[in-house]
Amino acid sequence: GAVVSQHPSRVICKSGTSVKIECRSLDFQATTMFWYRQFPKQSLMLMATSNEGSKATYEQGVEKDKFLINHASLTLSTLTVTSAHPEDSSFYICSASARTHQPQHFGDGTRLSIL
Amino acid sequence: AQTVTQSQPEMSVQEAETVTLSCTYDTSESDYYLFWYKQPPSRQMILVIRQEAYKQQNATENRFSVNFQKAAKSFSLKISDSQLGDAAMYFCAYRSAISSGSARQLTFGSGTQLTVLP
Repeated sequence: GAVVSQHPSRVICKSGTSVKIECRSLDFQATTMFWYRQFPKQSLMLMATSNEGSKATYEQGVEKDKFLINHASLTLSTLTVTSAHPEDSSFYICSASARTHQPQHFGDGTRLSIL
Repeated sequence: AQTVTQSQPEMSVQEAETVTLSCTYDTSESDYYLFWYKQPPSRQMILVIRQEAYKQQNATENRFSVNFQKAAKSFSLKISDSQLGDAAMYFCAYRSAISSGSARQLTFGSGTQLTVLP
């Protein structure tokens, strides 16, 4: 149980393109999901907390107009990288937990490459 | 704000031997959770072990065990009988026990790259 599915796993696109990444909890409901960014050989950095039915909470330094988050249902959160540029190339990963005191489970991540 | 420190960027261990990965953290909270996650080259994040701060007993999961020292704010991971499949990046993580949405976020250490030598 507690499976989180993230799609797509790999995206290669041209500069200026907007890219949408989906994060789904397959067998549980998640009122809160988290989006992280990871550069090679570095740790996961929290970008934002996605809240079902309300606005996302962004970490300091993360542009909310650049990284749009929509948590429209209890099983789906989306991250849209708008007008992506090469510096947005990174590994993006989401997580969710079934209940408050349950461990977070992670999606398999999305490797984004902007040419 | 909480911080998590992993002072060993890289570690290596001989197959079948035991290795200990270090983690320290800083918090003013009394109730929280600590985790070790494993990230192999596939970059999946895999939960290895979890510890509740209110529990004095150290968590164990088969070959993986922790040494949780609450007063010292230390949370080390011991891997016994190391296997080639244990090679990965290991992250120590902290999470508050507060139930509100954003407080459930994980704070990660910088990671320790573990190499297992055949």
